[in-house]
Amino acid sequence: NAGVTQTPKFRILKIGQSMTLQCAQDMNHNYMYWYRQDPGMGLKLIYYSVGAGITDKGEVPNGYNVSRSTTEDFPLRLELAAPSQTSVYFCASSTPGARGVAFFGQGTRLTVV
Amino acid sequence: GESVGLHLPTLSVQEGDNSIINCAYSNSASDYFIWYKQESGKGPQFIIDIRSNMDKRQGQRVTVLLNKTVKHLSLQIAATQPGDSAVYFCAEVTGANSKLTFGKGITLSVRP
Repeated sequence: NAGVTQTPKFRILKIGQSMTLQCAQDMNHNYMYWYRQDPGMGLKLIYYSVGAGITDKGEVPNGYNVSRSTTEDFPLRLELAAPSQTSVYFCASSTPGARGVAFFGQGTRLTVV
Repeated sequence: GESVGLHLPTLSVQEGDNSIINCAYSNSASDYFIWYKQESGKGPQFIIDIRSNMDKRQGQRVTVLLNKTVKHLSLQIAATQPGDSAVYFCAEVTGANSKLTFGKGITLSVRP
């Protein structure tokens, strides 16, 4: 059982470039989330989705976009990358009524130079 | 600002001793509180949770205590082992969509 799979694991972007971070889960979870984790800090919610076709902003959505066309996939799009977006990005999924217990992917370490 | 925070950034304990990790929260409306463990290079992993109407919950070698009067949460790890070395996050769950809000994290270091 793969759980939550994120690709790529590492990426270096130049300022102004764009990229998509991929996230896929095989647990048939309705809820999916994107978090970022800055050094020495906790996780901050970027976007989340409660089901296919439904997305909502989290705490720090600026500079990002998401889509949820299927239950399994929840890609995160960075347009015009900025140094402030250097971080580790985690995707997570959970089921409704799971009391917030989420399964996390291994993370994508992004550096913008 | 963050509604969940941790008092200390690092904690060093002797192998075999008990560890206590503390957390303060500010949102009285939170439904659940969760402790996550994050090992180096990995995503957070669920340890234990507690519902807001409970005071204590025990798992295997771990106990979570909730004091709603002072909005304080703690994680106790019995007989700490080297494999317990990690960053620990408390998180609160709010709303119908079960949004998680994480604290900054505390690093637990176990001395042999």
